[in-house]
Amino acid sequence: DTEVTQTPKHLVMGMTNKKSLKCEQHMGHRAMYWYKQKAKKPPELMFVYSYEKLSINESVPSRFSPECPNSSLLNLHLHALQPEDSALYLCASSHPGRPNGYGYTFGSGTRLTVV
Amino acid sequence: DAKTTQPPSMDCAEGRAANLPCNHSTISGNEYVYWYRQIHSQGPQYIIHGLKNNETNEMASLIITEDRKSSTLILPHATLRDTAVYYCIVRPSFTGNQFYFGTGTSLTVIP
Repeated sequence: DTEVTQTPKHLVMGMTNKKSLKCEQHMGHRAMYWYKQKAKKPPELMFVYSYEKLSINESVPSRFSPECPNSSLLNLHLHALQPEDSALYLCASSHPGRPNGYGYTFGSGTRLTVV
Repeated sequence: DAKTTQPPSMDCAEGRAANLPCNHSTISGNEYVYWYRQIHSQGPQYIIHGLKNNETNEMASLIITEDRKSSTLILPHATLRDTAVYYCIVRPSFTGNQFYFGTGTSLTVIP
């Protein structure tokens, strides 16, 4: 299995809703990532988990709450989002800190619309 | 921080070679060059990576200059399915897990 699976593929939520994005991989990767991508812009790194511990938070607002319950799963909990948070949210995984020969494997993303 | 500079857009005729340049003049000795592409609204896809030697795989070739300050991704026979945004990324080995995207090159393959 060489895939990163993200669910749901599309999500519409109101500004008072609580929702979660899910990411799963079974490649034995111990680093997992969340990126946010606005239209016609490159992906922006949000969070990095390494061995199930949060190692990087790129000053992301607290309305985004990541969680890594085990080495295969990564969640992004959403609460009180704003319309400007509408974007494609991408999950990725990799071997952490290995000698470069290993890149990232990305999921297809969740298209989030906040109304 | 993105450490690469790429032209914002390029066109290539179908069947011809597409040569995508990337400038990484501040690259340090332990940093690799990675290339990814993103077809509209899909996740980025790994293409190739290298340190200082030229590399080739089934998708593309990567040519890195001797001083390592620039590189070129070559798609030898571009097809319409190669239309995508191509990202050149430099990443140090062993130091953290950051992987930052630059602005990329939007390649359009023309029939």
